[in-house]
Amino acid sequence: KAGVTQTPRYLIKTRGQQVTLSCSPISGHRSVSWYQQTPGQGLQFLFEYFSETQRNKGNFPGRFSGRQFSNSRSEMNVSTLELGDSALYLCASSITSGEQYFGPGTRLTVT
Amino acid sequence: KNEVEQSPQNLTAQEGEFITINCSYSVGISALHWLQQHPGGGIVSLFMLSSGKKKHGRLIATINIQEKHSSLHITASHPRDSAVYICAVKSKRGATNKLIFGTGTLLAVQP
Repeated sequence: KAGVTQTPRYLIKTRGQQVTLSCSPISGHRSVSWYQQTPGQGLQFLFEYFSETQRNKGNFPGRFSGRQFSNSRSEMNVSTLELGDSALYLCASSITSGEQYFGPGTRLTVT
Repeated sequence: KNEVEQSPQNLTAQEGEFITINCSYSVGISALHWLQQHPGGGIVSLFMLSSGKKKHGRLIATINIQEKHSSLHITASHPRDSAVYICAVKSKRGATNKLIFGTGTLLAVQP
């Protein structure tokens, strides 16, 4: 079975731009969670989608949004990028409430 | 105070040594995860525990729900075990896969 894939793997954007990151879960997995990892804050939960519905949301501003499609693929969007948004963005998938499998991450650099 | 605390933050060991990393948490949980992250790399799930003990190769994870404490042990450590080990808990509240993370333990195993 293919693992969780994330695209793109690396991205450089300028302040004020917006960005869309994509996550394809393991086949059959209906839950996709997104996390942000920074040196200062560590790993933080962004949001979780299950069967196309947002099931939970972390403490991030409204500039961070996401969605999930009927095939369970998920995207997250960050609008009006700030320097502090530079981070490794990870997604993880699971069947329902079991073990989570992490993707390789997208490293976003905002200049 | 963080909901998930790990100790030590940094650990240096000689090859072959027995290693223990500790995790304490303050919330009610449905499961606890131990994760591994190599420098510049993605995250790999090592264990998901809700009770007792699990073993995989040279790695052993235990959890004491009453004491809200978990340990990760590495027997016969090897330089390839050098990585950041992260404890993460899934809250008992609500139907969600949201993980709350510790700050990680940076392990360096010297040959």
